[in-house]
Order: sequence, then structure tokens, then C-alpha cells
Amino acid sequence: EAGVAQSPRYKIIEKRQSVAFWCNPISGHATLYWYQQILGQGPKLLIQFQNNGVVDDSQLPKDRFSAERLKGVDSTLKIQPAKLEDSAVYLCASRLQGTGNTIYFGEGSWLTVV
Amino acid sequence: TQLLEQSPQFLSIQEGENLTVYCNSSSVFSSLQWYRQEPGEGPVLLVTVVTGGEVKKLKRLTFQFGDARKDSSLHITAAQPGDTGLYLCAVYNFNKFYFGSGTKLNVKP
Repeated sequence: EAGVAQSPRYKIIEKRQSVAFWCNPISGHATLYWYQQILGQGPKLLIQFQNNGVVDDSQLPKDRFSAERLKGVDSTLKIQPAKLEDSAVYLCASRLQGTGNTIYFGEGSWLTVV
Repeated sequence: TQLLEQSPQFLSIQEGENLTVYCNSSSVFSSLQWYRQEPGEGPVLLVTVVTGGEVKKLKRLTFQFGDARKDSSLHITAAQPGDTGLYLCAVYNFNKFYFGSGTKLNVKP
């Protein structure tokens, strides 16, 4: 079974530029999460989708971050304009309903803002 | 304030040594999970503990859930360089996953 796919793996941009990350969850997983992980810290939830609806985006900086999951499968996370403090790993994770509390992470998209 | 507090934050030891890392909270949870994240990778689930006082073993790793289900520990026996990584505890609460800040372990050969 394929895991959670993310791209690009690495991205370097200048501040005030924009960037987009893509995630394809494990097939059949209804719940999709985007986490931000700053180096040396634990992941922080940015947004949670259930199918194509947003369950929680309370910690998403909506003035610069946006995310969508239009068809309830893959998802994109966009940052515009980027700030230096956005340098982090952006982790996508997914969960299958009814399988308990196990989520599966992708390898992450590493963003450096210079 | 963090829901989950992990300690120590950093740990650097020699191969063959034993170590214990901790995950503490003032809240009670129905279950708790431990993840390991290797450099350049996403976190990978190691174990889920459910019952207060439960002990689970995974080769040289021993996980314990506190009797009151507020805390947990991870003990590694005879650490190896392959154990190097970030160890995260996490809980599923109110339809959300919360992670601790992690313990960064470095095992030197």
C-alpha cells in the first residue's frame, strides 16, 4: 500500500514569494492533516480536513496560508507571501475512519525562506 | 502551555547506554502514542498505550503508561546509533492529535 506522498521535498524561496505544497493521502483515508514542524520541535496542526470539508483551521495563519482539498482526495497548502519564520517542515498526514487513533505521515516538505 | 511536556529536550549518549525519556501532562487521556522521527523523514508510529499501568515492549524499547493515564515513559536498553532521532509523544483528544515538543536523541558510536 502506498504511503502519504508529498511534493516538493525541498524548496528554498525568498521572503514575500509564494510556495505551494501538494499531498496525496493513503487511498481511502478520509481525514487529512497539515502540520508545521519547526526544527527541533513537535508538529503543530495547521488544518484538518474530513473529506473535502475543513474540521479545524484554528491555528492556520489565514492572512498568508491557505489550503484546499477540493475533491476529498489530494490537498494543497499555499503560503503567500512567505516570511522568514515560515521556514519549517510541512508534514501531511492521513487517517482512515474507524481504525482507531493512528495517523500516517508523509516524508514532509522542507521549506527554507531566505 | 503545552498539553504534553517531554523531557529531556536533548540527550546525547554513547552506544550501549540505557536511557529513559518522559512525557507528562496534567490531563487524563484514553490512550497515548509514541513516534520516532528520523532526520529528513516524517514521524513513524512506534506504539499506542491504552490501559493505565500498561507496559509494552518493542525489541529494546519499553513503553509504560502511567497508572493515572496522565504520563508515559520510554526506556531504551543498550542504545544503538540507529536509535538516533526525535521521539514524540502524542494524544488524540477531541478529534485532534496533539504532539509534545519531542526529545532529540543522539547515540554516538
